[in-house]
Amino acid sequence: DGGITQSPKYLFRKEGQNVTLSCEQNLNHDAMYWYRQDPGQGLRLIYYSQIVNDFQKGDIAEGYSVSREKKESFPLTVTSAQKNPTAFYLCASSIRDRVGPQETQYFGPGTRLLVL
Amino acid sequence: AQSVTQLDSQVPVFEEAPVELRCNYSSSVSVYLFWYVQYPNQGLQLLLKYLSGSTLVESINGFEAEFNKSQTSFHLRKPSVHISDTAEYFCAVKEAAGNKLTFGGGTRVLVKP
Repeated sequence: DGGITQSPKYLFRKEGQNVTLSCEQNLNHDAMYWYRQDPGQGLRLIYYSQIVNDFQKGDIAEGYSVSREKKESFPLTVTSAQKNPTAFYLCASSIRDRVGPQETQYFGPGTRLLVL
Repeated sequence: AQSVTQLDSQVPVFEEAPVELRCNYSSSVSVYLFWYVQYPNQGLQLLLKYLSGSTLVESINGFEAEFNKSQTSFHLRKPSVHISDTAEYFCAVKEAAGNKLTFGGGTRVLVKP
């Protein structure tokens, strides 16, 4: 089955701790994205990557870091600098925009991060 | 910069009644428009999208949305809802030449028997 997997489903973070959320896709998509979802606020873009070894900050990148060493993987680290990390985190991927308008984003099942 | 407004945060509706979820966007350039559905504790699933061509787009489960350029709207409708349509619905817009997808705040639909 082709798709996007995120792990773990639930993650607990202690004060001052860095945690890493996993996102893997086997769709052969070039672009990958991380969003944060808070109640009543929709989704906000944290980071995105159009190609391996390259990524850009989204609207709320402070306190987060990413890497894109492989096409199929785009892990997100929530650092201790992120003071309000409790949220639902969603990873997405899409075929990189080429001639046609085919950049529909497909989402993983999400990871819920809670602070102890 | 583009933005999306979903005018209703919650919409209660009785089973088999029609429902309309409103979505307005602002952008100075050509856009692509999307509706996603999210069931509790799950990711987002693409419901339908407008890229070009016919302004009326349909999904396989009875939803439809109409792109209205003059009113900058992309409202979602279903003529008869089921209990299983209870979910949160997100409207999103992407500038045709850009990378970023911008989401509205979501509309929670609660279908009552």
